[in-house]
Amino acid sequence: DIQMTQSPSTLSASVGDRVTITCRASQTISSWLAWYQQKPGKAPKLLIYQASNLESGVPSRFSGSGSGTEFTLTISSLQPDDFATYYCQQYNSYPTFGGGTKVEIK
Amino acid sequence: EVQLVESGGDFIQPGGSLRLSCAASGFTFSSYAMSWVRQAPGMGLERVSGISDNGGSTYYADSVKGRFTISRDSPKNTLYLQMNSLRVEDTAVYYCAKEGGRRAPGYYYFGSWGQGTLVTVSS
Repeated sequence: DIQMTQSPSTLSASVGDRVTITCRASQTISSWLAWYQQKPGKAPKLLIYQASNLESGVPSRFSGSGSGTEFTLTISSLQPDDFATYYCQQYNSYPTFGGGTKVEIK
Repeated sequence: EVQLVESGGDFIQPGGSLRLSCAASGFTFSSYAMSWVRQAPGMGLERVSGISDNGGSTYYADSVKGRFTISRDSPKNTLYLQMNSLRVEDTAVYYCAKEGGRRAPGYYYFGSWGQGTLVTVSS
């Protein structure tokens, strides 16, 4: 299985900050990567697919980039609703997820 | 609007069996691959099983292979997960998830999720 590694595991930030989360794959996955947001007690919500495509209804402050083995999720200006845990997931082969990045209030 | 509603989670002893169900609505169920994704308490996400749109292909994580069986009943718009020989490490919230888009059969991201059902395995 392809291993996905996210960094950092926890990120402290303030409203208005630009936030970047990194996801690395153990082998190349082209652009077959998705990002999800999860809030406590809730199911994950799809944000981005195929590395950089924004899911319908997701605010434009979210963006994704990368290909091959290194990917980033960027929130251009952090909003109160964005404090959550974020997961990457590859689907180049059997789907696997990163360990998550918790974005908390600084 | 897509709706996925899981049921069947329970508290069960190691070695026991349980069947989870996921009732789907708001889309053409028979046109989409479906999966079960679990999340142990305080932990990350793991896709435990997937099934193709017509039910002809199934996929399992190594951690559940030989113990779990995924199936679907398209006339009933329902997805199932039969879990046998349950272990303490199977304790998790189990989510039903709909294929969003795919790279290849069995390899896709998850466009919609249910609210989850909790399975607790403990003596």
